[in-house]
Amino acid sequence: DAKTTQPPSMDCAEGRAANLPCNHSTISGNEYVYWYRQIHSQGPQYIIHGLKNNETNEMASLIITEDRKSSTLILPHATLRDTAVYYCIVGKGGAGSYQLTFGKGTKLSVIP
Amino acid sequence: EAGVAQSPRYKIIEKRQSVAFWCNPISGHATLYWYQQILGQGPKLLIQFQNNGVVDDSQLPKDRFSAERLKGVDSTLKIQPAKLEDSAVYLCASSLERWNTEAFFGQGTRLTVV
Repeated sequence: DAKTTQPPSMDCAEGRAANLPCNHSTISGNEYVYWYRQIHSQGPQYIIHGLKNNETNEMASLIITEDRKSSTLILPHATLRDTAVYYCIVGKGGAGSYQLTFGKGTKLSVIP
Repeated sequence: EAGVAQSPRYKIIEKRQSVAFWCNPISGHATLYWYQQILGQGPKLLIQFQNNGVVDDSQLPKDRFSAERLKGVDSTLKIQPAKLEDSAVYLCASSLERWNTEAFFGQGTRLTVV
């Protein structure tokens, strides 16, 4: 699976948009980009995933560059409850072995 | 729907003792994962089951760790004997299909080996 690079930490003011970047320059054509987050003392929680088109759900938006070498997770109106470690993961979503290989993620702190 | 259940939530043992963790996945989920998360790191996959068969256990330290998933539902992860470096949170996750894109995680079991 392709490796990802994320900043170790970021701050965001409450109510503002949080933009979390991820580099995955070695991604292959059939690999998806997944985002999970882990709030303190809890298990990881799925947020969103995409292949090459931008995606949006009730939690966040995922913007993938045209060359698919990087992506950005956007939390449109960050709240204190969004303080967590955010993991960007690249892996195969189709038939075959599907695994989530976690890196160290980005620790997002939402500040009042 | 009920989430992934794990027990116990916390466990403290001495090195060289044995310990077992239990996981009950979401009903109907064919795929079950065990992860180890050391403080300050992301979760590391230990073993993956599809129903009651092992899909991947390449990162499981088989000299001391074992896991089973009888009848393709509940699963247990055992460590025998435990080492200090096994201190971590052990997370269980499940998903509907092997290639399903969303995995659901339990709250984990925090193991401290002293």
